[in-house]
Amino acid sequence: DAGVIQSPRHEVTEMGQEVTLRCKPISGHDYLFWYRQTMMRGLELLIYFNNNVPIDDSGMPEDRFSAKMPNASFSTLKIQPSEPRDSAVYFCASSGQVSRRGYTFGSGTRLTVV
Amino acid sequence: GENVGLHLPTLSVQEGDNSIINCAYSNSASDYFIWYKQESGKGPQFIIDIRSNMDKRQGQRVTVLLNKTVKHLSLQIAATQPGDSAVYFCAEGGSARQLTFGSGTQLTVLP
Repeated sequence: DAGVIQSPRHEVTEMGQEVTLRCKPISGHDYLFWYRQTMMRGLELLIYFNNNVPIDDSGMPEDRFSAKMPNASFSTLKIQPSEPRDSAVYFCASSGQVSRRGYTFGSGTRLTVV
Repeated sequence: GENVGLHLPTLSVQEGDNSIINCAYSNSASDYFIWYKQESGKGPQFIIDIRSNMDKRQGQRVTVLLNKTVKHLSLQIAATQPGDSAVYFCAEGGSARQLTFGSGTQLTVLP
């Protein structure tokens, strides 16, 4: 089991550029979550999917943020255009019906927008 | 200007001593609680969970206590080791699958 895989690990981009973060959940997990972690706000849930369908996107901060899950093994979080205040660590996590109730987190993508 | 970051509660313990990390949760309807450990540069990692119908659960070197009367959760780590240094988060969950995370506590183990 390779765990939840996120890419890239680090991303530095200029303000105004488009940023795409990627996530591969654990095979067989049917829930996928995107979190953002900052010193200011801690861990914030942005959006989550069940069976590839977005269930709750109320945490997505603005229309500049969008997330997709085209299939059970891949999800993206896109920010367009990016702003310096988007700088944070973005985590993807997955969970399965029969697994323990906790999530399995990826290692995160550290995003810096300059 | 610079953002003022969260002031994480901190706990420093001597290696070999026991650690107790506390958490106050908000939703009396939550039916399970989880402790996570986050080491620097890594994602949070599951440690132990407890259902709301329990008041104590033990794992390897860890014990979680739940007091629903005062909505309080604690994580006890026995014989704390340097590898236990991390930020510890409690999380609460209910019928929906999403978890709500607390702000975390920084544990530092002193040699």
